Amino acid sequence: EAQVTQNPRYLITVTGKKLTVTCSQNMNHEYMSWYRQDPGLGLRQIYYSMNVEVTDKGDVPEGYKVSRKEKRNFPLILESPSPNQTSLYFCASSTLIGYEQYFGPGTRLTVT
Amino acid sequence: DQQVKQNSPSLSVQEGRISILNCDYTNSMFDYFLWYKKYPAEGPTFLISISSIKDKNEDGRFTVFLNKSAKHLSLHIVPSQPGDSAVYFCAASGGFGNEKLTFGTGTRLTIIP
Repeated sequence: EAQVTQNPRYLITVTGKKLTVTCSQNMNHEYMSWYRQDPGLGLRQIYYSMNVEVTDKGDVPEGYKVSRKEKRNFPLILESPSPNQTSLYFCASSTLIGYEQYFGPGTRLTVT
Repeated sequence: DQQVKQNSPSLSVQEGRISILNCDYTNSMFDYFLWYKKYPAEGPTFLISISSIKDKNEDGRFTVFLNKSAKHLSLHIVPSQPGDSAVYFCAASGGFGNEKLTFGTGTRLTIIP
């Protein structure tokens, strides 16, 4: 089954404790992206990747890091999480930029 | 700077009637538009799209209309069904070569049985 998977689905952590949210897709997509969804703000892009070893900033990259060492995986790293990073995070992938993106189920992160 | 705007946070429609969701954009470089549907506890799923070279695209009960001069697009669902109750996001892109997909804030559609 074609899918994008994210882990964990739910995470509660404390300020400053480094964490990684994993994202994996099995569709051989070149493009992958991370978004955060906040009430009243919709989906905002954090980082995206055009292919292996190619990443770039989206609208809200501050406080986040990403890496793309393999085509299928695109982890999101919060080196020192803060409460304003409490949000619902989605990973997505696609074959062609700007066209249909497939989303993962989301990771709800709470930073206290 | 919200380049894609959905001014109605919520909409309620009677089952069987037409649902119309609206979206406005400000960036004239956008040339491809998409609608996504999102159920609670799930990721958004692609619904329908339209290129700027068209003014209408239809897929079953779903039709998207694009008015480039007004920088406005709308999604029509007819007839509306209870399973259509979800949050709908419109999104816009500058097309291939532009890496960014910009989303609106979403409209929560509730279909009343």
